[in-house]
Amino acid sequence: EAQVTQNPRYLITVTGKKLTVTCSQNMNHEYMSWYRQDPGLGLRQIYYSMNVEVTDKGDVPEGYKVSRKEKRNFPLILESPSPNQTSLYFCASSWLSNTEAFFGQGTRLTVV
Amino acid sequence: AQSVTQPDIHITVSEGASLELRCNYSYGATPYLFWYVQSPGQGLQLLLKYFSGDTLVQGIKGFEAEFKRSQSSFNLRKPSVHWSDAAEYFCAVGADRDDKIIFGKGTRLHILP
Repeated sequence: EAQVTQNPRYLITVTGKKLTVTCSQNMNHEYMSWYRQDPGLGLRQIYYSMNVEVTDKGDVPEGYKVSRKEKRNFPLILESPSPNQTSLYFCASSWLSNTEAFFGQGTRLTVV
Repeated sequence: AQSVTQPDIHITVSEGASLELRCNYSYGATPYLFWYVQSPGQGLQLLLKYFSGDTLVQGIKGFEAEFKRSQSSFNLRKPSVHWSDAAEYFCAVGADRDDKIIFGKGTRLHILP
């Protein structure tokens, strides 16, 4: 089954404690991206990757890092989380940057 | 740069009534247009897409959308809604010269029994 898998689904952490949200896709897609969803703001892109070892900033990259060492994986790293990063995060993949995106189930992160 | 506007933050309709969700985009070239649905606690799922050709596109779950270039619109319609259609709906636009899809802020659909 074609899917994008994110882990964990829920995470509560404390300010400053490094965390990683994993994302994996099994569709051999070139393009992967991370979004955060906040009430009234819709989906905002954090980082994206056009291919292995190619990543770039989206609209709200501050406080986040990503890596793309393998085609299927695109982890999101918060080196020092802060409360304003409390949000719902989605990973997505697609063949190209402007084609149909497949989304993971989401990760609800709370930073206290 | 392209942009997407969904003018309605919330829409409430009665079960069995027809539905139209509005989407307006701004882009100079022919856009790629999408509608996604997000059910509570779920990720986004593609309902339908328009790249070219027939301007009326059919999607899953009985939804359709019409691309109107003159109005820069891509409104989503359904003739008769079901309680299970309660969700948040996102319009999105891409283009062949850009490196990402832009999402609207979403319209939350409420269904009255």
